[in-house]
Amino acid sequence: GAGVSQTPSNKVTEKGKYVELRCDPISGHTALYWYRQSLGQGPEFLIYFQGTGAADDSGLPNDRFFAVRPEGSVSTLKIQRTERGDSAVYLCASSERRASGANVLTFGAGSRLTVL
Amino acid sequence: RKEVEQDPGPFNVPEGATVAFNCTYSNSASQSFFWYRQDCRKEPKLLMSVYSSGNEDGRFTAQLNRASQYISLLIRDSKLSDSATYLCVVNRVDSSYKLIFGSGTRLLVRP
Repeated sequence: GAGVSQTPSNKVTEKGKYVELRCDPISGHTALYWYRQSLGQGPEFLIYFQGTGAADDSGLPNDRFFAVRPEGSVSTLKIQRTERGDSAVYLCASSERRASGANVLTFGAGSRLTVL
Repeated sequence: RKEVEQDPGPFNVPEGATVAFNCTYSNSASQSFFWYRQDCRKEPKLLMSVYSSGNEDGRFTAQLNRASQYISLLIRDSKLSDSATYLCVVNRVDSSYKLIFGSGTRLLVRP
């Protein structure tokens, strides 16, 4: 597609449930990022993929969070045993080249997660 | 201390005013710098990259001071449509290539 696509756009779930958030990056973009943004804050880095591998997952808050990108394109962010504090907008971004220089990110519209 | 710090604002200015935002970063390994713009309930979008020599794009001018580790954004002749949150972004090139975002500076341009 023309841009980064994220689904669902909105997800409401109950505490303790499992959720999956999907990101379809711009075709040909090798780098894919997940960020989390809470109200009034900037995007917080979660994980970065270069191709199929997670090049940096240091931002994942705990082991309830996991992300995959099995074929180097679509990525899924998985959250187990959701907690109210996980409520945020989860943003995905992709980039056309490796971040050895000016690495410009194109963001999707985000998935707004609300945990009741 | 956050790795990238910005004054949250809001900066409330009249149309036509000139306004400047600063951003400081703490990691000297930072190599690339950007300003992103984020409208309310929308995703961030690249406004401009920041080059060592400073750069200008229309009414917008970005400056980088590596010695003091800060970046600035100057907006001249503010328009109502400039109202948004401006995010300072730093790209560290060490063991990873992740981009670190500041919390943003909110700008309100009034008629």
